Amino acid sequence: DAGITQSPRYKITETGRQVTLMCHQTWSHSYMFWYRQDLGHGLRLIYYSAAADITDKGEVPDGYVVSRSKTENFPLTLESATRSQTSVYFCASSAVQSGYEQYFGPGTRLTVT
Amino acid sequence: AQRVTQPEKLLSVFKGAPVELKCNYSYSGSPELFWYVQYSRQRLQLLLRHISRESIKGFTADLNKGETSFHLKKPFAQEEDSAMYYCALRGTYKYIFGTGTRLKVLA
Repeated sequence: DAGITQSPRYKITETGRQVTLMCHQTWSHSYMFWYRQDLGHGLRLIYYSAAADITDKGEVPDGYVVSRSKTENFPLTLESATRSQTSVYFCASSAVQSGYEQYFGPGTRLTVT
Repeated sequence: AQRVTQPEKLLSVFKGAPVELKCNYSYSGSPELFWYVQYSRQRLQLLLRHISRESIKGFTADLNKGETSFHLKKPFAQEEDSAMYYCALRGTYKYIFGTGTRLKVLA
């Protein structure tokens, strides 16, 4: 599933720094999503996008910013990283044509020190 | 409120034993239910969806609207089934995931 990629795969940053996680998909899927995966909480939706220039908040959007100027890219920015944002972040995409099945990226493990 | 509940964080079974991973949901409407799986060092991937009514890797799941459940079952567990399993609900194009159940199949 090289169609959806995330970078970096691992990132260590300090509290207060800005960090951007990249997500790129090659399928031209309309929908893209950012989740964080935490023990005991499962997958929680941070932000999602239905198309280029259309984004909306998910369950846990505070402290995060997204943009989607191109269909294939959906970067997630932590404006001022906090230790509580230490997590594994997954990007996913889906499309009507595939019955809205979500295709996940490999994840980015972010540690905020 | 829209919610997916997976009551077990960890389920350990012996190889060859039956497996049932529980999932209950709350949704006002007609949801579509899924099971996603994450094997060690692999991506999350779709295991099965209720509308397909198929058996994947020996797993089946039946949607019970009366009990609002979508439990995942397999009659004989294999070691390669060890993974993290997420039950998910799709209302429109967004998903709501449960907290996940880690299945460990013991030799």
